[in-house]
Amino acid sequence: KNEVEQSPQNLTAQEGEFITINCSYSVGISALHWLQQHPGGGIVSLFMLSSGKKKHGRLIATINIQEKHSSLHITASHPRDSAVYICAVASNTGNQFYFGTGTSLTVIP
Amino acid sequence: EPEVTQTPSHQVTQMGQEVILRCVPISNHLYFYWYRQILGQKVEFLVSFYNNEISEKSEIFDDQFSVERPDGSNFTLKIRSTKLEDSAMYFCASSWGTGRGYTFGSGTRLTVV
Repeated sequence: KNEVEQSPQNLTAQEGEFITINCSYSVGISALHWLQQHPGGGIVSLFMLSSGKKKHGRLIATINIQEKHSSLHITASHPRDSAVYICAVASNTGNQFYFGTGTSLTVIP
Repeated sequence: EPEVTQTPSHQVTQMGQEVILRCVPISNHLYFYWYRQILGQKVEFLVSFYNNEISEKSEIFDDQFSVERPDGSNFTLKIRSTKLEDSAMYFCASSWGTGRGYTFGSGTRLTVV
């Protein structure tokens, strides 16, 4: 049973394209995180959301609590955006985190 | 920018041996976490730690595992009697509030042979 589902699993885009990655979850949450995992394995936290929308540079994250759904958008994608993007949720019943399987993004010059 | 530091970056150990993975969280953070990612699989939560005790742990975190904050700066994960299936990347993370200011370390790749 997957508490967090992401789509697509793999995504290839041309440089400059607008990219959307989706995340749906089935548990009650206190917050949702979008993470970026580089090819070397390191993980960087991009956003933490509990409602609404956040923007950082070319990245935009939205969450709809009622629909249990979040999206990560990348505008004007660039080859350096190539990474695995992971959705993770913090349950509202404790300090437990559930992770999606990740979306592997490749941006071609 | 403050970082979560993990050492070593790669550890190879014989099956049955004990290993200690070390993490230095960000200094004003109060919550500490360990995660595991087996090659090709998703990241899995192991344990969270707050106020010098475990606040949450997953089914994976059985008696083989233990965590400690021995000196107020380090946060360690001990794996006793390692098995081949313990081979994974282990990530430490810390935050100043529940899920707030969340920062991951760059991971320790554990290889059990």
